Amino acid sequence: NAGVTQTPKFQVLKTGQSMTLQCAQDMNHNSMYWYRQDPGMGLRLIYYSASEGTTDKGEVPNGYNVSRLNKREFSLRLESAAPSQTSVYFCASSGAKRVADTQYFGPGTRLTVL
Amino acid sequence: AQSVTQLDSHVSVSEGTPVLLRCNYSSSYSPSLFWYVQHPNKGLQLLLKYTSAATLVKGINGFEAEFKKSETSFHLTKPSAHMSDAAEYFCVDSNFGNEKLTFGTGTRLTIIP
Repeated sequence: NAGVTQTPKFQVLKTGQSMTLQCAQDMNHNSMYWYRQDPGMGLRLIYYSASEGTTDKGEVPNGYNVSRLNKREFSLRLESAAPSQTSVYFCASSGAKRVADTQYFGPGTRLTVL
Repeated sequence: AQSVTQLDSHVSVSEGTPVLLRCNYSSSYSPSLFWYVQHPNKGLQLLLKYTSAATLVKGINGFEAEFKKSETSFHLTKPSAHMSDAAEYFCVDSNFGNEKLTFGTGTRLTIIP
């Protein structure tokens, strides 16, 4: 039982390049989330998905797209990376649907955009 | 909009002494509140959660938190700090009870040997 896994662990991009961050969970959870963590700002929600086939914007969605490929997988895409997107990205999942409950976090992806 | 305020960005305590990490929330409704811990270069792990069943909530590793509606506070405490408690701690509130969480800015806890 791996919980929440994320790939890659580290990535360096040049401005304008694109990439997709992958996330998978094996806990049969309904809800999945993407956050970014910046120094002194806590975690901010980028997008979330309450169930397969649905996605909703969070607090900071600009510059990102997401896909809930199936119940297990939720990917985050940067179409044209910018230095402001340098951050640590966390994926999380929760068994609850539309209610607050424990979220389980992956180990994070550290992204640098030059 | 609701928010959480962590009153200290950095707390240092000696090993074996009590820990107090302070959090105030601004929800006007009955909140769902959480404390998460993040060890260096790791993901976040739930310490404890409050969902109105009891005002004193016990979590893992000897931590507990008390919900005080009159003070809009949810402070995290531990009677005796251990070196392994050194980490960043986040107070978290839900958005009207739904799954969109709002994180505080974090408190870095340092344990002095």
